Amino acid sequence: ETGVTQSPTHLIKTRGQQVTLRCSSQSGHNTVSWYQQALGQGPQFIFQYYREEENGRGNFPPRFSGLQFPNYSSELNVNALELDDSALYLCASRLGSMNTEAFFGQGTRLTVV
Amino acid sequence: KNEVEQSPQNLTAQEGEFITINCSYSVGISALHWLQQHPGGGIVSLFMLSSGKKKHGRLIATINIQEKHSSLHITASHPRDSAVYICAVRSNSNYQLIWGAGTKLIIKP
Repeated sequence: ETGVTQSPTHLIKTRGQQVTLRCSSQSGHNTVSWYQQALGQGPQFIFQYYREEENGRGNFPPRFSGLQFPNYSSELNVNALELDDSALYLCASRLGSMNTEAFFGQGTRLTVV
Repeated sequence: KNEVEQSPQNLTAQEGEFITINCSYSVGISALHWLQQHPGGGIVSLFMLSSGKKKHGRLIATINIQEKHSSLHITASHPRDSAVYICAVRSNSNYQLIWGAGTKLIIKP
């Protein structure tokens, strides 16, 4: 039990639709990172939020956006879904923006058809 | 060349065997993580290392900062250890995690 909860666990969407994935962080963890993991591959960094501001972003287009709330929960929004967006989406929370241990959620499995 | 390389990519062993998974990296790091991922996706952090050695139950992780190399060992392996083991390093320039491709471990009874 990591204290990080993601919802929903599974989701099926149609190409072109929009999706919102949610992450509830450990209490007090003010940094959250989101990752995309395609089948059979390692996770790819999408972006990171620290104190409700985006402070790092990977090689993902602007249709991937996020929010972090004062209660440390966060959202990942993906617009104009494409088939290649089908993946496991993981969030990880930690305290501070530097060198602290990360705790991962179970992930949301998104399938785009 | 990837910044984080793991070997082997796949490993099948019999129950009870001593398991070693290796990780080499080419960037400056502030810490190295070993993580475990079971089918279905959830990732569990096993160790975070910045030097030396850590032990937790049957798991041992070591890191050699000068050689930029880390190993994860499993003693008295058990079928429930079957999972993907991932090495990830935290860059000391932007503090982001750089991930290895993972090692798929299967322990047969």
